[in-house]
Amino acid sequence: GIQVEQSPPDLILQEGANSTLRCNFSDSVNNLQWFHQNPWGQLINLFYIPSGTKQNGRLSATTVATERYSLLYISSSQTTDSGVYFCAVMDSSYKLIFGSGTRLLVRP
Amino acid sequence: NAGVTQTPKFQVLKTGQSMTLQCAQDMNHEYMSWYRQDPGMGLRLIHYSVGAGITDQGEVPNGYNVSRSTTEDFPLRLLSAAPSQTSVYFCASSYSQGVEQYFGPGTRLTVT
Repeated sequence: GIQVEQSPPDLILQEGANSTLRCNFSDSVNNLQWFHQNPWGQLINLFYIPSGTKQNGRLSATTVATERYSLLYISSSQTTDSGVYFCAVMDSSYKLIFGSGTRLLVRP
Repeated sequence: NAGVTQTPKFQVLKTGQSMTLQCAQDMNHEYMSWYRQDPGMGLRLIHYSVGAGITDQGEVPNGYNVSRSTTEDFPLRLLSAAPSQTSVYFCASSYSQGVEQYFGPGTRLTVT
């Protein structure tokens, strides 16, 4: 099956810093989603981005499907950005496959 | 819309007990699914349904049963709980297969 690898596994930032999270996948995918899991465990949809670039406030994402990767950019990070960021891809059977996540801590 | 709701939020079971985790959505979504999340890992698909009366297995189906009698509800049944089923369970839905999925708040299950 498809392998999804996220990097880095852990990231510590000072408030106000920028960061880039990466998601690599091993095969063609039907779609790709980015999620933020907050410290209370809730999964929040960030982007549905099978290809191209999208922006939402301080966050943006780019997926290059032909090269099998996606990037999530966080600018001017805030303490509320802390949590785990998951990339999930949909395989040819329309099953969502999750990466192991990037754990982000933003310090004040 | 309430979105995707799950009950209970927390549950403790003894080995061998049975229970049903409830999931409901009010968005008229055809596709619903169940995932489990173990510590330090991403979510893994247990079972899914593409519409009322249709279910199929995901990556980790053993020990779980599902049925889908209505569009709104998709319960997950543990027939004989085992400690290996200690996990956080998430339900998700989307208006069709292959598009953006939305997740419920999760149920934290502990089996002793």
